[in-house]
Amino acid sequence: AQKITQTQPGMFVQEKEAVTLDCTYDTSDQSYGLFWYKQPSSGEMIFLIYQGSYDEQNATEGRYSLNFQKARKSANLVISASQLGDSAMYFCAMREHAGGTSYGKLTFGQGTILTVHP
Amino acid sequence: GAGVSQSPSNKVTEKGKDVELRCDPISGHTALYWYRQSLGQGLEFLIYFQGNSAPDKSGLPSDRFSAERTGGSVSTLTIQRTQQEDSAVYLCASSPSGTRVEQFFGPGTRLTVL
Repeated sequence: AQKITQTQPGMFVQEKEAVTLDCTYDTSDQSYGLFWYKQPSSGEMIFLIYQGSYDEQNATEGRYSLNFQKARKSANLVISASQLGDSAMYFCAMREHAGGTSYGKLTFGQGTILTVHP
Repeated sequence: GAGVSQSPSNKVTEKGKDVELRCDPISGHTALYWYRQSLGQGLEFLIYFQGNSAPDKSGLPSDRFSAERTGGSVSTLTIQRTQQEDSAVYLCASSPSGTRVEQFFGPGTRLTVL
């Protein structure tokens, strides 16, 4: 069963505008972590932001924020003031804590291609 | 300091041949992960190392795939008798420990099986 769902294969945004990339997840664990990674055309995966399931406040990292709605099992990424360099593939990922041991294995969504227009 | 490095960056091989992919993690990182990225399957976990042991090999797709890690550092992913469906980008990541938040990814090895 798919555990991470990204329903937007592609998104377009105008430079300097904000954009929201959707992510929903499924888990029976109470303790888990949610991640967003950026993959530019060069192929390297770049960590953007992390949200722990017990974190009460939404995570923020510069222009990135994570809109975490636990009851709805959603972890949307918000990019404010988009830049041309933000054009890339974006992946949502989850780390579950199996048997109380967090060993970091990530499960990824299918990704969203973001294109920023000048 | 240096990031995660992988070699080769590209590998083209004929069906049935064996290939070895190498990963050099960030110095001092005890946790190491292999993932595979392909068009049809997206990003998939393959195997996780903590030190030299592999407590989770659940993602290895068949017994043609194996991996080892020596000296708590370099890891090699070996694919025997390659098939066309093995064509993908193989990504390696490392982390200071299995419980740390961020995994640092290498640039990947693009494998093409003809």
